[in-house]
Amino acid sequence: QVQLQQWGAGLLKASETLSLTCGVFGGSFSHYAWTWIRQPPGKGLEWVGEINHSGNTNYNPSLKSRVTISVDTSKTQFSLKLSSVTAADTAVYYCARATDRMGVEYWGQGNLVTVSS
Amino acid sequence: DIQMTQSPSAMSASVGDRVTITCRASQGISNYLAWFQQKPGKVPKRLIYAASSLQSGVPSRFSGSGSGTEFTLTISSLQPEDFATYYCLQHNTYPWTFGQGTKVEIK
Repeated sequence: QVQLQQWGAGLLKASETLSLTCGVFGGSFSHYAWTWIRQPPGKGLEWVGEINHSGNTNYNPSLKSRVTISVDTSKTQFSLKLSSVTAADTAVYYCARATDRMGVEYWGQGNLVTVSS
Repeated sequence: DIQMTQSPSAMSASVGDRVTITCRASQGISNYLAWFQQKPGKVPKRLIYAASSLQSGVPSRFSGSGSGTEFTLTISSLQPEDFATYYCLQHNTYPWTFGQGTKVEIK
């Protein structure tokens, strides 16, 4: 069974860089899009971006100038960095496994990241 | 970006009711659409993929239909555990985009 377990700092100050990592356990690491999705408190879901096992990325244009997603295939992990955070970046961040054909299937447990001013 | 417009945004319904939620895409997305259920404080759970395929383990009272720009999620007989927020997701075109959500509450 596929499991995604994520970790990272939960409290940041404005202008700092958000950093989260997601470990993948079970299943293949190839042939999938390793994805980040976020959800501000009480609001809807927003796709942040993705990376495949070869390192090819797609980002949400609304965040593109600040976001970096990287992958470490040897550790079956992928990471999210979001620079220059503000209070608007306060959200639960989810990692997920997806494919172009099937969309998002498996999710991590979510991490609440709070940005204080 | 492709805009996904869900309707209604919220609704009240009773146990046993038939519930239909609609998602309209601002441009055609073939059948690259999924439906998710989310309960407060929980991770979203996929119900439907490829517009009409039922995720393994999901009760058969859930069904999806549509292609192109208009999609529906139907719950044939609402159960107490179905009160939640539902989201559609298009994964045809980057950036992938979610509908704004439909909150199904108890009448």
